[in-house]
Amino acid sequence: DVKVTQSSRYLVKRTGEKVFLECVQDMDHENMFWYRQDPGLGLRLIYFSYDVKMKEKGDIPEGYSVSREKKERFSLILESASTNQTSMYLCASSFQGRGYGYTFGSGTRLTVV
Amino acid sequence: EDKVVQSPLSLVVHEGDTVTLNCSYEVTNFRSLLWYKQEKKAPTFLFMLTSSGIEKKSGRLSSILDKKELFSILNITATQTGDSAVYLCAVEAYNNNDMRFGAGTRLTVKP
Repeated sequence: DVKVTQSSRYLVKRTGEKVFLECVQDMDHENMFWYRQDPGLGLRLIYFSYDVKMKEKGDIPEGYSVSREKKERFSLILESASTNQTSMYLCASSFQGRGYGYTFGSGTRLTVV
Repeated sequence: EDKVVQSPLSLVVHEGDTVTLNCSYEVTNFRSLLWYKQEKKAPTFLFMLTSSGIEKKSGRLSSILDKKELFSILNITATQTGDSAVYLCAVEAYNNNDMRFGAGTRLTVKP
């Protein structure tokens, strides 16, 4: 069964900590995405990557960085976690071409205290 | 700026009711519109719509796209408690690799 796996389901971190969220896909997808999901705001794109070592900013990249050293793995990094980064983080992947839709991971619910 | 607006934001119905969820969009170089169902975990794919007026069906769910009026509807007939979820609408554009999502409609189906 093909899938996108996020390393943690729930995570609690302290303000100022550096936080790593990992995402791995086994579908040989070129594109990978990180979204955050907040009530009433839907999914907002943080960063995406269309190839190894390539990245592009989404709508809300401030306070985040990403790393894609291997095709199957896309990491989201919170350089210095803040309480306003408490959210559900969803990773997704897709083929390069248009119209394939996304496959989503199960999400990581991050709480910053 | 591209945007996707879903309505209503939440809806409570009883089993057996029929519901209609709405999604309107403003996207440059529209390519396709997708519907996802999100229960407690990952959103799961329901439909992809690219052509106006062609209904897509899967069991009790159906969806249609109007590219002239820039909206889509998702219908669920004879609702069941298992239909309770957040339903997400997303739009793809030709000039982007990513999709623009709406805020979602939270559907609650009571026994």
